[in-house]
Order: sequence, then C-alpha cells, then structure tokens
Amino acid sequence: DAGVIQSPRHEVTEMGQEVTLRCKPISGHDYLFWYRQTMMRGLELLIYFNNNVPIDDSGMPEDRFSAKMPNASFSTLKIQPSEPRDSAVYFCASSLANPLEAFFGQGTRLTVV
Amino acid sequence: AQKITQTQPGMFVQEKEAVTLDCTYDTSDPSYGLFWYKQPSSGEMIFLIYQGSYDQQNATEGRYSLNFQKARKSANLVISASQLGDSAMYFCAMRESQNTGGFKTIFGAGTRLFVKA
Repeated sequence: DAGVIQSPRHEVTEMGQEVTLRCKPISGHDYLFWYRQTMMRGLELLIYFNNNVPIDDSGMPEDRFSAKMPNASFSTLKIQPSEPRDSAVYFCASSLANPLEAFFGQGTRLTVV
Repeated sequence: AQKITQTQPGMFVQEKEAVTLDCTYDTSDPSYGLFWYKQPSSGEMIFLIYQGSYDQQNATEGRYSLNFQKARKSANLVISASQLGDSAMYFCAMRESQNTGGFKTIFGAGTRLFVKA
C-alpha cells in the first residue's frame, strides 16, 4: 500500500480564497483524522471520521472549516474563506477499526498571504 | 488541563548514549493507548511504538522502549544507542474513548532531540 496520500503537498493562496485539501486513506482503514500543526499550538485534532461518518468535529476552529468523506477512500478539508492565520501544515491520518497507531500522510503546507 | 505533558522542550544526547524523553498523561478512561511518533526535519510523522493500558509488559521496538508506569501515569520513551539520525521532534500521544463511541488521539507539545557526534 502507498500509505496515506495527501494533495497538494504545498499550497499558497491569497486571503479570501477557497482552499481544498485532499486525502486518500490506507485501504481498509475505518478511521480518518485531520490534524493541523502550527508552532504556536502544536498538533491539533480538527475532526475525525469512522466509516465515513464524522464523529467529533469539536476541533474545527470556525465555520470557515468543513470536512467531508464521501466514500471510504477519499476525504476533503475545505477552508472558505481562507485567512493568514490558517497557515499551517495539515495532516491526514488513518487507522484500523481496532485502533492501534495512526498512519500519517506527508502533510499539506498551507500558506495564506 | 493538559492531557499529555512533555516537559522537555529540547534535549541533547551524545551519539551512542541512551536518552529518555518524558511523557505524562491524564485520563479517566480505563482503556487507552499511548504512542510515540518521530517527526524529522522533513516533516513526516513516523510511528515508533505503542503501549496499551492493559499491557503487562513495557513495549519495545528495536532501539525504542516505552517505560510505562501506570500508577504514575507516565509513558517515557527510551532510545538506546542514539544515532545522528535520531535528531528530530518526538511526540507523545494518547488515545482515549469518547462518549460518542469513537475514540480520539491527542498529542503532546513535543520534545526536540539533538544527537551530538
């Protein structure tokens, strides 16, 4: 398996624009997580899905953030409109139904100018 | 209150020596899991080791071992025979169950390890 695949790896956008981050989890993994990493706040869990259903989105910072998982092999995290303070590395991770470790993607480095 | 506490922002260790990275946690869930991840300068998150709350023995994976002291709620990572490639950020994480029936994994602030030649 290729592991968790995220795209794009880097994104630079202007304030106010819509940004969509994409994730393909490892096949067979029932849990999918979106994390955000910044110097100030470290690694924060934004939202996670179980069997494509959002379970806990309490970490989503604002209504500008939304996440979907239309099927078992794809998830998106959307920010609209984007702001400079959204600049961070966004990680997607997946794990098995009987959860042990979560496997992380390479991350998307988002810069909002 | 912090669920995962890593008190060492940075650590230095001499190559080939052992080093212990501290982690304490707080949970009321009787069934939880503890993890350590490594994040090198390239940015990816690499899983190192896992310890379940009911595991009787400390977890080991090659040069990594987890010193699990349940009563003290600590889960320190021990790296033996440090190598230059071990220089990285290390995160302690805990998985605990949620009222929703799912579970959540949260991370500590991390410890940056520098291995000196």
